[in-house]
Amino acid sequence: DSGVTQTPKHLITATGQRVTLRCSPRSGDLSVYWYQQSLDQGLQFLIQYYNGEERAKGNILERFSAQQFPDLHSELNLSSLELGDSALYFCASSVAPATGRNGNTIYFGEGSWLTVV
Amino acid sequence: GENVEQHPSTLSVQEGDSAVIKCTYSDSASNYFPWYKQELGKGPQLIIDIRSNVGEKKDQRIAVTLNKTAKHFSLHITETQPEDSAVYFCAVTGGGADGLTFGKGTHLIIQP
Repeated sequence: DSGVTQTPKHLITATGQRVTLRCSPRSGDLSVYWYQQSLDQGLQFLIQYYNGEERAKGNILERFSAQQFPDLHSELNLSSLELGDSALYFCASSVAPATGRNGNTIYFGEGSWLTVV
Repeated sequence: GENVEQHPSTLSVQEGDSAVIKCTYSDSASNYFPWYKQELGKGPQLIIDIRSNVGEKKDQRIAVTLNKTAKHFSLHITETQPEDSAVYFCAVTGGGADGLTFGKGTHLIIQP
């Protein structure tokens, strides 16, 4: 158990709908990352937050947005869903924002399976 | 941006033999190289990592080597066991980017 908690574990929704995925980071971690995993694209970095502020953006679509709240939990909002958005969405956390710095390791949650039908 | 190539995509070895997975990266400023193991239905789990000031790191049956000049690093698993069967991902970060850039993954199959 990595200590990163994600809900829901599974979600099935229709095209055009909107969903929210929730993440609680490990105790003491201030930085939260969101990744998308699909068969054809592998693990893709979406966005990172650090202590409530957006830190870095990756391949996140404009239909997607995220935020980190004062209690450090984070939510990923996916709207106008398309079939191609079906994927496993991972949240990860680390103590500090810069993974290249000594001792700063990223830990992943178990993921949220999203199926768009 | 950073580009990470991982080979092979599938690797089948006999139980007890060694397995080697290789990754190359493009950004010479990258300085952190973790390896993750992902089992079916689970999230990636960090198994070992190495930083750019070190050439090799070992943890029991697992070792990682880094060649910064050639921009490649490798995962070595010795005395493989059935529980080593999983998908392994290499990743890279540093050089100004905070998020990890992952390779496409290697499906390691341990044959009994």
